[in-house]
Amino acid sequence: NAGVTQTPKFQVLKTGQSMTLQCAQDMNHEYMSWYRQDPGMGLRLIHYSVGAGITDQGEVPNGYNVSRSTTEDFPLRLLSAAPSQTSVYFCASRKGYNEQFFGPGTRLTVL
Amino acid sequence: GESVGLHLPTLSVQEGDNSIINCAYSNSASDYFIWYKQESGKGPQFIIDIRSNMDKRQGQRVTVLLNKTVKHLSLQIAATQPGDSAVYFCAERVNTGNQFYFGTGTSLTVIP
Repeated sequence: NAGVTQTPKFQVLKTGQSMTLQCAQDMNHEYMSWYRQDPGMGLRLIHYSVGAGITDQGEVPNGYNVSRSTTEDFPLRLLSAAPSQTSVYFCASRKGYNEQFFGPGTRLTVL
Repeated sequence: GESVGLHLPTLSVQEGDNSIINCAYSNSASDYFIWYKQESGKGPQFIIDIRSNMDKRQGQRVTVLLNKTVKHLSLQIAATQPGDSAVYFCAERVNTGNQFYFGTGTSLTVIP
């Protein structure tokens, strides 16, 4: 199993640009989520999904969209990037109410 | 939001000593807790978990203690090794909900 994979590893955007962060898992987990990690703060939940076709907002959803068309994939879209979205983004998956498995992260800088 | 905090932001220990990392949580309805290890440039890695109906759980070289009376969680690492150097943080889940709340982390440095 590859576990949770994320692409790209690094990305630099200009303010106003859009992009999609990719996340995939091969563990057949129902639950997937996106977090951002900023210095001095704990991981904060952006959006999550409890299964294909079902998504919901987390703690900091503004400026981000998600969709879940398959069990394996859960892309995160930045509609119009802002410097405040400079962060490290982690995708995670889990089966049921158990431990989450995290991807390696995407480091995003918005200029 | 939930408040999950750590008492100390940094901790330095000698190789071979035991390490203790603490975490305070605010919601008495939290029913599941996880400790994660995060090495530089990597994603968080599961270490050990504990449910609220337990007060202690042991893994390989690690022990988690849960004190629900004072809403306190601790991670004990026995015979700390240089490879244990990382940021450690706790996470809590409230009432079997979908969201976890994460602490800010403690940076552990192991001195050879």
